[in-house]
This record gives sequence, C-alpha cells and structure tokens, in this order.
Amino acid sequence: DGGITQSPKYLFRKEGQNVTLSCEQNLNHDAMYWYRQDPGQGLRLIYYSQIVNDFQKGDIAEGYSVSREKKESFPLTVTSAQKNPTAFYLCASSPGLAGGSETQYFGPGTRLLVL
Amino acid sequence: RKEVEQDPGPFNVPEGATVAFNCTYSNSASQSFFWYRQDCRKEPKLLMSVYSSGNEDGRFTAQLNRASQYISLLIRDSKLSDSATYLCVGGSGGYQKVTFGIGTKLQVIP
Repeated sequence: DGGITQSPKYLFRKEGQNVTLSCEQNLNHDAMYWYRQDPGQGLRLIYYSQIVNDFQKGDIAEGYSVSREKKESFPLTVTSAQKNPTAFYLCASSPGLAGGSETQYFGPGTRLLVL
Repeated sequence: RKEVEQDPGPFNVPEGATVAFNCTYSNSASQSFFWYRQDCRKEPKLLMSVYSSGNEDGRFTAQLNRASQYISLLIRDSKLSDSATYLCVGGSGGYQKVTFGIGTKLQVIP
C-alpha cells in the first residue's frame, strides 16, 4: 500500500530536550511538508521541501529544523528553542513539479506533549 | 486579513438536510483550490479539488467564484457520517505551498 507514515503516534518531550518526528512516504512524491495544528486553529506551515537536499522555511519555522537527504524521508526536529511545542504535527506530500500537481496527502500525525 | 477565511461554525443540521459552506480567499493570484475533510483527532483527507467549471462528486458539489473570490461546498442529503470539520485550501499554483482555512465544523444530527 502506498502512503505516508509518521512515527511515533504520541511523543513526550522533557524541558530542554530535542525530539525528532519521523515522516516517510512511498508515493514517489517530490514535495513534502510539515504542519502544526493547535486546537481551534488551522494548519500552519513549518517547513517544506520541493526536492531532495532542498527545503524552505514556512510561516513558523523558529525552533524547528528539518533535513531531506532522501526523497522518501523528511524528519522534523523540535528543538529546545521551541517554547510551546505541544501540538498535533502533520506531515504531507504532493507530487510537486514533476507530477504536475500540488494536491497534498497527509500522514496520520504525531501528538507532541511536553512533560 | 487572512489569506483563506472560513466560518468555524459549528453548523448543526438535521439528517437529510442540504448544507453549504463558503470560503473566501484574498490572493487573487490563487490558482488551485481544494476541500479537505478532517475527523476529530485525525489527519485531513482530500475531499475534492475545485475547478473553474465546478466539481461534483455524488452528494458533494464544489464551486469557484473568481469574481467574488470565494469557493463553496454544497452537501446534499446529509448523513450522520458527514459530521466532521471541512477545510478550505487555496494554492498559488507554484507548487510551493498552499494555505489552509481554519475549517468549518459540521454536526449532522439524527
């Protein structure tokens, strides 16, 4: 089955700790995205990547970092600099330029909680 | 002004009713539009794309009005299973990023 997987489903972070959220896709999509969703708010873009080894900051990149070493993988690190990390994190992918579509498909999400 | 604006609701409608949501967008250069459905504590799932000529899929119809800069979603014969939050999405067409609305919550009641 083709799709997007995210792990873990739930993640607990201690103060001052960096944590990494995994996102993998086997859809052969060029573009990948990370969003954050808070209760009562829409999705906010953290980072996006149109192609391997390239990524761009979204609207709320401070306190986060990403890498795109492989087409299939786009991990997100929540650093200790992110002061309010508790949220629902969603990874998405789209065919991108090569696929001629920007329709995005989402993984099941990771809920991050601060202890 | 937000790029994509939606009435958050909730819209409470009886089973079998017809309900319509509107979504306005501020960027006149926006080229592509979508409706997503998001169930509680789940990821958004693509419901339908919105084309200039409109788009219909069973009980769901999406329309685009470029002159007034809004898109709409019409749901006919509402089912209990239609209860969810519906997200409006606008894109620049540059394969870079899209903007999500806050979502409109629909509750279909028996």
